[in-house]
Amino acid sequence: EPEVTQTPSHQVTQMGQEVILRCVPISNHLYFYWYRQILGQKVEFLVSFYNNEISEKSEIFDDQFSVERPDGSNFTLKIRSTKLEDSAMYFCASRGQPIAGEQFFGPGTRLTVL
Amino acid sequence: RKEVEQDPGPFNVPEGATVAFNCTYSNSASQSFFWYRQDCRKEPKLLMSVYSSGNEDGRFTAQLNRASQYISLLIRDSKLSDSATYLCVAHKAAGNKLTFGGGTRVLVKP
Repeated sequence: EPEVTQTPSHQVTQMGQEVILRCVPISNHLYFYWYRQILGQKVEFLVSFYNNEISEKSEIFDDQFSVERPDGSNFTLKIRSTKLEDSAMYFCASRGQPIAGEQFFGPGTRLTVL
Repeated sequence: RKEVEQDPGPFNVPEGATVAFNCTYSNSASQSFFWYRQDCRKEPKLLMSVYSSGNEDGRFTAQLNRASQYISLLIRDSKLSDSATYLCVAHKAAGNKLTFGGGTRVLVKP
């Protein structure tokens, strides 16, 4: 069964450093997402991406965040200057249906900012 | 008011029993709803979509009440493996994002 994959599974970084989280969505999917979940809190939407551009973003997704689809398979989330409060689980998701369809989540990257 | 609200639980359920819990949503523009399951420190996994007429998938039954703006999930014949956090999720047709509730924790005990 096709699945979303993410690397690394755990990233530890120093405050102020840049990190890039990587995702490989399901191959025939066209819609891509990033969500985050701070420990003990709910899953929060960050950004959606379709046709090589951002289609929607949340208030959390400020100028320090960016997304890119550098090739036909990878989808990345970059955090330019990490803060302590960026520590969270970051989930990538993808969707194939053009209308309201289910999103499938990757296993997540645990980001720890020290 | 939170967009999607859930009783955090935990719901302690004897193995073999039935458990049901609700979720309320505040945005009437929400059109699609889902139940996801999340195990500790793992990704959300789709359990089922929720259709207007209600739907059943094995031991799981989901209902949607648009008038009262709530969604329910019922689990019959609970198994130990049903222990997890169940996430209620809303989706607006005009947007892309999923809006998650905080989750309801279910603990099935022998």
